[in-house]
Amino acid sequence: EVQLLESGGGLEQPGGSLRLSCAVSGFTFSNYAMAWVRQSPGRGLEWVSGVSAGGGSTYYADSVKGRFTISRDNARNTLYLQMNSLRAEDTAVYYCVKDRFLYGTLISYFDYWGQGTRVTVSS
Amino acid sequence: EIVLTQSPATLSLSPGERATLSCRASQSVSSDLAWYQQRPGQPPRLLIYDASDRATGIPARFSGSGSETDFTLTISRLEPEDFAVYYCQQRANWLTFGGGTRVE
Repeated sequence: EVQLLESGGGLEQPGGSLRLSCAVSGFTFSNYAMAWVRQSPGRGLEWVSGVSAGGGSTYYADSVKGRFTISRDNARNTLYLQMNSLRAEDTAVYYCVKDRFLYGTLISYFDYWGQGTRVTVSS
Repeated sequence: EIVLTQSPATLSLSPGERATLSCRASQSVSSDLAWYQQRPGQPPRLLIYDASDRATGIPARFSGSGSETDFTLTISRLEPEDFAVYYCQQRANWLTFGGGTRVE
C-alpha cells in the first residue's frame, strides 16, 4: 500500500522558516518524480515545486522561487521542502504528491497524495 | 500561465442522475488534462489523466472527454460517495489547477 506521510507544518511568523518532510512507502521511491502541492481557500490548489526521481532536477512556482528548496533522500525514502522567508500568502495545507508515471517528467499528474500538513504564517 | 475555468461552480443533483462538468483552458493544452475528486477532509484523488484515461481503480461511471481547450468529466450515474468537489489540472504549460466544481 502506497503511503505518504507529511510532517513539519505549524505556525510560523512572517520571515521565518519551516522544513516539511514526507516519508513514503509502498513503492520504489527512487523511480518517481515527486512534488509539493498546496491548497488554501484563497488560492485553491497550487503546484509549488517538483524534483526528479534522482534529485538532479528541480522546478519551482514563481511564487516560491528563491525562497523554497525541494530535495529528496532516496536512501531514506523521504521528500523535503525547506521554506524560508515565509509570507502570509504561504498559509496553506501542503501535500506531498507522487508522479503518475515511472521516470516521469517533473510536470505531470499525481496519483498519490499524502493527507497534508498545515502551515500557518502569522504574527 | 494557462488558466482553467470550471463550470458550473456548483451542480445540484440527486443520486442516480448524470453529472456533466466542464473545464475550459485559456489556450490549448492538447490532451494534457487530468481530473481529480476531493471529498471533505481528504486529499484530491486522481480520476482521469490525458483527458480520457481512467486512473487505476476508478469506476467506469467516470469518463473524460475533450481536447485543446474544452474538456468534460461525466459521471454517468451518481453514487452517494460521488458528491464532492472536482478539479481539473493541466500539464501542457507548467502546471495549473481549475477552481473546482462542487457536486451536491
